[in-house]
Amino acid sequence: AQSVTQLDSQVPVFEEAPVELRCNYSSSVSVYLFWYVQYPNQGLQLLLKYLSGSTLVKGINGFEAEFNKSQTSFHLRKPSVHISDTAEYFCAVKGYGGSQGNLIFGKGTKLSVKP
Amino acid sequence: KAGVTQTPRYLIKTRGQQVTLSCSPISGHRSVSWYQQTPGQGLQFLFEYFSETQRNKGNFPGRFSGRQFSNSRSEMNVSTLELGDSALYLCASSLGLAAYNEQFFGPGTRLTVL
Repeated sequence: AQSVTQLDSQVPVFEEAPVELRCNYSSSVSVYLFWYVQYPNQGLQLLLKYLSGSTLVKGINGFEAEFNKSQTSFHLRKPSVHISDTAEYFCAVKGYGGSQGNLIFGKGTKLSVKP
Repeated sequence: KAGVTQTPRYLIKTRGQQVTLSCSPISGHRSVSWYQQTPGQGLQFLFEYFSETQRNKGNFPGRFSGRQFSNSRSEMNVSTLELGDSALYLCASSLGLAAYNEQFFGPGTRLTVL
């Protein structure tokens, strides 16, 4: 079984400041890792994913994340945020092998970007 | 290419009623998954369908059921609605069952149970 912990439920930040949204996971099997964003009254949109290879993954809208296997973390970063980045962000894992193909989500982090 | 569509977008029902939600996946996608999103429990997996067969099921009571048609469109049904079933129900489609396949989400159906 897998679980995902997003350490901050809310992150307020000023426009053009850097931001890091933290995500830790636990799993008894190998996993793929994902970050999704949800804008108000919308579904989820994939920001980036880690499947294999380089541990630094670049996604859309200037976001990137680093997979750290020893710390079982997959933190999301952006060097300079915009007002339009205000949304809720979800970290998710998906085990592979066997019948563990569904996404397991964290509780989400609400990013609030202030002018 | 059109995205995942869900109908209806909003629904109000009363306790004890039943409801059917519909999801049309992206053309060519054969796997459809359903998730429930609530403020308290977050995003929880309901079930996944592929080739008209349920392949995986989350930890929900039997009142929650679903099906998939030959054109990959999917429906989920909730019978004997309870207040706690109020949630955003999200459908996601992907090319297949492989774990590396990206899931594309629809806008959701907001169900309110009174």
